[in-house]
Amino acid sequence: GAVVSQHPSWVICKSGTSVKIECRSLDFQATTMFWYRQFPKQSLMLMATSNEGSKATYEQGVEKDKFLINHASLTLSTLTVTSAHPEDSSFYICSAREDRGINSPLHFGNGTRLTVT
Amino acid sequence: AQTVTQSQPEMSVQEAETVTLSCTYDTSESDYYLFWYKQPPSRQMILVIRQEAYKQQNATENRFSVNFQKAAKSFSLKISDSQLGDAAMYFCAYFGNEKLTFGTGTRLTIIP
Repeated sequence: GAVVSQHPSWVICKSGTSVKIECRSLDFQATTMFWYRQFPKQSLMLMATSNEGSKATYEQGVEKDKFLINHASLTLSTLTVTSAHPEDSSFYICSAREDRGINSPLHFGNGTRLTVT
Repeated sequence: AQTVTQSQPEMSVQEAETVTLSCTYDTSESDYYLFWYKQPPSRQMILVIRQEAYKQQNATENRFSVNFQKAAKSFSLKISDSQLGDAAMYFCAYFGNEKLTFGTGTRLTIIP
C-alpha cells in the first residue's frame, strides 16, 4: 500500500532555533499534502494545505511566517518551524494524496514529536 | 466551515461486547466522504472505515460498521466483538472541499 514517510520522528531543539520536518510519499506522486498539529489528548488541527509548485494555503490563525511550508516536488513537502518557542512543542503529522478529487485516498505519516526547550 | 462533533470523550466496553461511538457533522455540501480513524498510543493514524455520502448502504469492514444517517448528519461507528487491540483514540473525520476535518475524538477502553 501507499506509504508516507515523515522525518524525523522526534526532535528536541532549543528556543529560537528552526526545525525542518520532511514528509515524503514513497510510492506515489502526491499532488497535495496536508500538515496537521496535535496537542496532547486533543484532535488533529489542520494547519495548511500544500500543492506541488504553488504556495501553501494556511488555515485561519496559523502564522505563515512561523510555519514555512514548501512543496517543491511531487514526493516531498517540508514544514519548517522558525524561531521555535516552547509553545510550539507539539505532535506534527503530514498526510498526502495522489490527486485532487474526493475519491483520492489520504495517507498519513507517522508524525513528528517536537519538543522545544 | 465544516464541523465534526464527537460527544463522547471516553467510552469503555467489556471485551467481546459491542460498542457504538457517536459522530455528527455539519455541512452544506452534498458530495463528501466520512471516515473513522483509529490512533493507538503510537500516534499512527489508521483508517478504520470510510463512507461515501452518495451511498445509502452503510459501510462495513469485518467487525466495524457504520450507521450513516445523511439527513440527520450522523455517522456512528459500531465495533462488534471488541478486542483488546481495539483500545485507542477514535476520530471521526469529514472530507469535503479538499479538506479533512477531524472530530475531537473518543478514547475507547477495552475491559478484559
